[in-house]
Amino acid sequence: EVQLVESGGGLVQPGGSLRLSCAASGFTFSAHYMEWVRQAPGKGLKWVGRIRNKDNSYTAEYAASVKGRFTISRDDSKNSLYLQMNTLKTEDTAVYYCTRVPAYGLPGPSDIWGQGTMVTVSS
Amino acid sequence: DIQMTQSPSSLSASVGDRVTITCRASQGIRNDLGWYQQKPGKAPKRLIYAASSLQSGVPSRFSGSGSGTEFTLTISSLQPEDFATYYCLQHISYPYTFGQGTKLEIK
Repeated sequence: EVQLVESGGGLVQPGGSLRLSCAASGFTFSAHYMEWVRQAPGKGLKWVGRIRNKDNSYTAEYAASVKGRFTISRDDSKNSLYLQMNTLKTEDTAVYYCTRVPAYGLPGPSDIWGQGTMVTVSS
Repeated sequence: DIQMTQSPSSLSASVGDRVTITCRASQGIRNDLGWYQQKPGKAPKRLIYAASSLQSGVPSRFSGSGSGTEFTLTISSLQPEDFATYYCLQHISYPYTFGQGTKLEIK
């Protein structure tokens, strides 16, 4: 079964840091670009960023609101995706979803989503 | 950034109704658009990709159309399980952007 499972969410103070993880299974993780999308409580979906695969040098793209504070990385040997979040702000409070972008030339956008992990930034 | 304007923001309809949701892009995005369904407390589910291609396993009552700047998602005959929030997403240029969502409620 194709699956993404996020972990690492929790309560953190403003200015703090948190690292989210996403464990992938059931597919060739290394072949796919991966993304993070977030959703503030009661609000819509917001794209956070993307990391490409090894063939594309693991380069990343970010939304302006997180650029310079968040870093997306991956470990293909562990089938895992990460989101390092630094200098957190109250407006970063959201459910964070890990998503898979179709590979092998298949058309996007993200076709598989994890169940999400909640991040609360509050003093 | 490309703005995605989705309408209506909410919609009341009855089982069996035909429903159309529209997404307009602030600039041309070819057919690089997807539609998602999200139920409360759940992750979004992809329904449509490439503007008009039906995701495997999604009922054929869902259809998408459009290209360039105007896109529609149509549900031909609403079923009870279709009451949810729907989002469009453009994925032609960074940052990718979602529409603000359409909440489909039971009349």
